[in-house]
Amino acid sequence: DSGVTQTPKHLITATGQRVTLRCSPRSGDLSVYWYQQSLDQGLQFLIQYYNGEERAKGNILERFSAQQFPDLHSELNLSSLELGDSALYFCASSVSSSGRTDTQYFGPGTRLTVL
Amino acid sequence: SQKIEQNSEALNIQEGKTATLTCNYTNYSPAYLQWYRQDPGRGPVFLLLIRENEKEKRKERLKVTFDTTLKQSLFHITASQPADSATYLCALDSGTGRRALTFGSGTRLQVQP
Repeated sequence: DSGVTQTPKHLITATGQRVTLRCSPRSGDLSVYWYQQSLDQGLQFLIQYYNGEERAKGNILERFSAQQFPDLHSELNLSSLELGDSALYFCASSVSSSGRTDTQYFGPGTRLTVL
Repeated sequence: SQKIEQNSEALNIQEGKTATLTCNYTNYSPAYLQWYRQDPGRGPVFLLLIRENEKEKRKERLKVTFDTTLKQSLFHITASQPADSATYLCALDSGTGRRALTFGSGTRLQVQP
């Protein structure tokens, strides 16, 4: 158990809908990272927040947005969903702002299925 | 463009042998390289980090090498066990101002008893 929690475990929704994925980092970690993993794309970095502020941005679509709240939990919002958004979404946390050198602790993931 | 290559074919080895997995990269100059293990349906788990000025790093049965001239990292598991069966991902920083990691697609290791 990494200490990172993600809810929900599974999410099934329809195209065009909007969903929110939630992540609670390990106690003491200030950074939260979001990743998307699909069979054909591997693990893709989406975005990083550090202590409430956006720190780094990856290949995140404009339809997707995220935020980190004062209690350090984070939410990833996915809107206007398409079939291709079906994937595993992982949240990871680390102690500092350095995504390069920190150990990242991954949550169990949310499996999103868009029908 | 930047590219990370890990062998997409599964690696099958016998229990007790040494498994060697390869991570090649192009158009990167990473200062750090990390290896993670991922079991099916679960999040990756950190194994080792190696810096560009380190040639080799060890942790128990694991060994990682980092050759910045060849642009390659090798990941070794000695005395492999069936419990080592998993997908192994290499991850490296972009070497630019961006602070995030880029992951390879991973190599699946299957250790036969």
